[in-house]
Amino acid sequence: EAQVTQNPRYLITVTGKKLTVTCSQNMNHEYMSWYRQDPGLGLRQIYYSMNVEVTDKGDVPEGYKVSRKEKRNFPLILESPSPNQTSLYFCASSFGIVELGEQYFGPGTRLTVT
Amino acid sequence: DAKTTQPTSMDCAEGRAANLPCNHSTISGNEYVYWYRQIHSQGPQYIIHGLKNNETNEMASLIITEDRKSSTLILPHATLRDTAVYYCIVRVATGNQFYFGTGTSLTVIP
Repeated sequence: EAQVTQNPRYLITVTGKKLTVTCSQNMNHEYMSWYRQDPGLGLRQIYYSMNVEVTDKGDVPEGYKVSRKEKRNFPLILESPSPNQTSLYFCASSFGIVELGEQYFGPGTRLTVT
Repeated sequence: DAKTTQPTSMDCAEGRAANLPCNHSTISGNEYVYWYRQIHSQGPQYIIHGLKNNETNEMASLIITEDRKSSTLILPHATLRDTAVYYCIVRVATGNQFYFGTGTSLTVIP
């Protein structure tokens, strides 16, 4: 089944404790992206990647890191999480540039930083 | 990418057509109009996109005005399962970033 998977789905952590949220897709998509969703602010793009070893900042990259060493994986790293990073996070993927409209989203990761 | 303006919320009777408007008055000639929806807190789901011509697929129809400054997403026979937040996005086909905004919360009423 074609899908985007994220792990963990739920995470409660403490300020400053490094964490990684994994994202994997099995559709051989070149493009992958991370979003966060907060009440009243909608979905905001954190980072995106056009292909392996190619990443770029979105709207709200501060406090996050990403890597794209393999085509199928695009982990989101929070080196020193803070309470303002409490949010619902989504990973998404799509084929190359022309088809960028059809992004496939993962189920979401709900992160709480205390 | 052009910004979009959508009503915050709308209601629609079950079985009737739901018409969701979107204003994108600053859209450029090479920018597409995309629609996604998000049911509760699930991941957003792609619905449809278009450039100039009206588009239809199994989920919905997209009507773009001739001057391209606005568009309407039409769900022809709304069901309770169509209750969701609908996002209108405009962007160039070669652009890398997506701006979802806050969307329109559609409630389908029995």
